[in-house]
Amino acid sequence: NAGVTQTPKFQVLKTGQSMTLQCAQDMNHNSMYWYRQDPGMGLRLIYYSASEGTTDKGEVPNGYNVSRLNKREFSLRLESAAPSQTSVYFCASSRQGHYEQYFGPGTRLTVT
Amino acid sequence: GQSLEQPSEVTAVEGAIVQINCTYQTSGFYGLSWYQQHDGGAPTFLSYNGLDGLEETGRFSSFLSRSDSYGYLLLQELQMKDSASYFCAVRDRLNYGGSQGNLIFGKGTKLSVKP
Repeated sequence: NAGVTQTPKFQVLKTGQSMTLQCAQDMNHNSMYWYRQDPGMGLRLIYYSASEGTTDKGEVPNGYNVSRLNKREFSLRLESAAPSQTSVYFCASSRQGHYEQYFGPGTRLTVT
Repeated sequence: GQSLEQPSEVTAVEGAIVQINCTYQTSGFYGLSWYQQHDGGAPTFLSYNGLDGLEETGRFSSFLSRSDSYGYLLLQELQMKDSASYFCAVRDRLNYGGSQGNLIFGKGTKLSVKP
């Protein structure tokens, strides 16, 4: 039981490049989330998927897109990376509507 | 809008008790959670208060007063391994289309435990 896994762990991009962050969970959770964490800013919700087949914007969705590929997988895409997207990205999952979220190990992204 | 306030840093000694406060303003409060995050690690869930009062889990307790829009995390018998950042997070039923599972996080309190 791996919980929530994320790939890659580290990534460096040049401004304007694109990439997809992958996330998968094996806990049969309905809900999945993408957060970014910047120093001194706590965690901010980018997008979420309350259940398979649905996705919705969170607090900071601009510059990102998501895909809920199936119940297990939820990916985050940066179409044209900007230095302001340098951050640590966390994926999380939970039972639908539940307060306890399980986080992946994070992806450390640097955009130069 | 929503806001959460918690101290940015707290220092305590091993074996002591420390309280981390959290005050919040939300439009549709649905519960207060606490998460722990070690440097370089992922946040992990500690506790949840949906109703007023104290919840105890081992050395950790969490308290909520909805009338005061206030909660705290109490850590007893501090150990060096408790050095981490602690985040309060509010469930807001009116936020992000009303999904009850969504959380709004505070900026975190960095706890340093000294020998």
